[in-house]
Amino acid sequence: EAGVAQSPRYKIIEKRQSVAFWCNPISGHATLYWYQQILGQGPKLLIQFQNNGVVDDSQLPKDRFSAERLKGVDSTLKIQPAKLEDSAVYLCASSFMVAGVREQYFGPGTRLTVT
Amino acid sequence: DAKTTQPTSMDCAEGRAANLPCNHSTISGNEYVYWYRQIHSQGPQYIIHGLKNNETNEMASLIITEDRKSSTLILPHATLRDTAVYYCIVRVVKGGADGLTFGKGTHLIIQP
Repeated sequence: EAGVAQSPRYKIIEKRQSVAFWCNPISGHATLYWYQQILGQGPKLLIQFQNNGVVDDSQLPKDRFSAERLKGVDSTLKIQPAKLEDSAVYLCASSFMVAGVREQYFGPGTRLTVT
Repeated sequence: DAKTTQPTSMDCAEGRAANLPCNHSTISGNEYVYWYRQIHSQGPQYIIHGLKNNETNEMASLIITEDRKSSTLILPHATLRDTAVYYCIVRVVKGGADGLTFGKGTHLIIQP
């Protein structure tokens, strides 16, 4: 079974530029998550989708971050404009419900450096 | 979700059992204990979860105290590939919003 795919793996941009990350979840997984992991910290949830609808975006900085999952499969996370503090690894995860429990499967992440 | 406390780092000799503690003294009755780990430069990986009873799978065992205020993850025969950051997470299992809240975890270093 193929895992969660993310691209690019690395990205370096200057502050005030825009950037987009792409995620392809495991086939059949209706739930998709984006997390931000700053160096030395645990991942922090940014947004959760169920199919193409947003379930939780309470921690997404909506003035500069946006995410979509138009067809309920692939997802894109965008930052516009980027700030230095956005330097982090952006992780995508997907899950499905089994026996009332959802186990999340994570992709390898995209490492963003903002200079 | 309840708060968890874990040691910052631990060492374990290769081939020995690694016992990782987690304190969750404010856990409520409907909250599960989850463990994930993150190997360097990879995304987190699910290990195991439990509610009240001890659990075992092919990766690890989870021992939860009777009062549920603490738990221990056991890797029975640690290998060098088990070197990672281990996260203990306590949360309600429900439909809807279920993003994970990660702390800083325990950095487990397996020594050859």
